[in-house]
Amino acid sequence: QVQLVQSGAEMKKPGASVRVSCKASGYTFGTSDINWVRQATGQGLEWMGWMNPDSGDASYARKFHGRLSMSTNTSITTAFMDLSSLTSEDTAIYYCSRGAWLELLDYWGQGTLVTVSS
Amino acid sequence: QSALTQPASVSGSPGQSVTISCTGTITTFTTYNLVSWYQHHPGKAPKLIISEANKRPSGISDRFSGSKSGATASLTISGLQAEDEAVYYCCSYADTDSFDKLFGGGTYLAVL
Repeated sequence: QVQLVQSGAEMKKPGASVRVSCKASGYTFGTSDINWVRQATGQGLEWMGWMNPDSGDASYARKFHGRLSMSTNTSITTAFMDLSSLTSEDTAIYYCSRGAWLELLDYWGQGTLVTVSS
Repeated sequence: QSALTQPASVSGSPGQSVTISCTGTITTFTTYNLVSWYQHHPGKAPKLIISEANKRPSGISDRFSGSKSGATASLTISGLQAEDEAVYYCCSYADTDSFDKLFGGGTYLAVL
């Protein structure tokens, strides 16, 4: 069965960077985009971007341009999300999700809490 | 950026039905049925409950149904149960020729 397992909670200081990983299993990793979605405290779901593991094509939401980078390592079927210049407004639960043309986002990771605090 | 608009909250009693609307102006939303709905309980991963506006993934209760007409998609939950209390999000592609996604603001369903 399809599974996405994310790395553990992170605590960062303002100005730092964070990397969250997402290990995929149960399907052919390269055939589906990996999307990243976050939920800040008290806010709704916010789509951040997607990346295709095979082609390396990616697209990021405009508000994260310059701070957000996604990558994948196909040999270990793992996707990574790097967010830099963190502020307290980046405190959120970050989710990876598999993209599917008709379903949009069909399977989700368990979420990773990133806390930004001095 | 174009938005998907949902009511902030709805409520219903156990056994009743509620409908949550999602209104948008994006071409991919108004022209195609590429709308998904997600159920999100606090501390858990969002769960796909409706895709292509009206299709239920395997394992999703038939108490959940979806429909779409023009610029409005709707999620109906019938026979409300306590465990249905959650936040529900609609989601669509943000633009034509793009795999970028857009979420509605989310609707909190209170089961009274």
